[in-house]
Amino acid sequence: TQTVSQSDAHVTVFEGDSVELRCNYSYGGSIYLSWYIQHHGHGLQFLLKYYSGNPVVQGVNGFEAEFSKSDSSFHLRKASVHWSDSAVYFCAVSAGSSGNKLIFGIGTLLSVKP
Amino acid sequence: DPKIIQKPKYLVAVTGSEKILICEQYLGHNAMYWYRQSAKKPLEFMFSYSYQKLMDNQTASSRFQPQSSKKNHLDLQITALKPDDSATYFCASSPGAGGVSNERLFFGHGTKLSVL
Repeated sequence: TQTVSQSDAHVTVFEGDSVELRCNYSYGGSIYLSWYIQHHGHGLQFLLKYYSGNPVVQGVNGFEAEFSKSDSSFHLRKASVHWSDSAVYFCAVSAGSSGNKLIFGIGTLLSVKP
Repeated sequence: DPKIIQKPKYLVAVTGSEKILICEQYLGHNAMYWYRQSAKKPLEFMFSYSYQKLMDNQTASSRFQPQSSKKNHLDLQITALKPDDSATYFCASSPGAGGVSNERLFFGHGTKLSVL
């Protein structure tokens, strides 16, 4: 059974700050990890994903995430946030054998103050 | 232009009634999905379809029935509605067959269902 934990329900930063949104997972086999963003009233939009190779993956709008097998983590980072980055961010995992059945975390609300 | 259309955007229903949530995608994708987002809960996988065939069903209740009349349609029929069914229901799609694991999903804007 895969589980996803996003320990921060709400993160508040100022425009121009860096931010890290945390994601930890538990699963023993090969997994796919991804991040999605949800602006208020909209559907989820893909940011980035990881399966193998370079543990640091680049996504859209300056986001990146780093996979750590030892920490069972896949934290999302951005060096300088913009007010338009305010949204809910979801970490998701899927097992190698489960098709595209994603298991989502509870989400982290990022609020960017001007 | 939204490429995944969900209708209606908002839906209010009475307990015991039946509703159909519509989803059409114009991305040329072969796999479609339904996810549910209840208040204060993670997004929850419900169904996946590939080439109009059911691939995976994680919904315990038979009150939820997907219907695929065309490859780019995956509607969700919900019968005997209960207040606990209140949630936002998201339709999604991906390019290939549902068995491919590393595909990004494209989501619709959702249908927010309120059952009174």
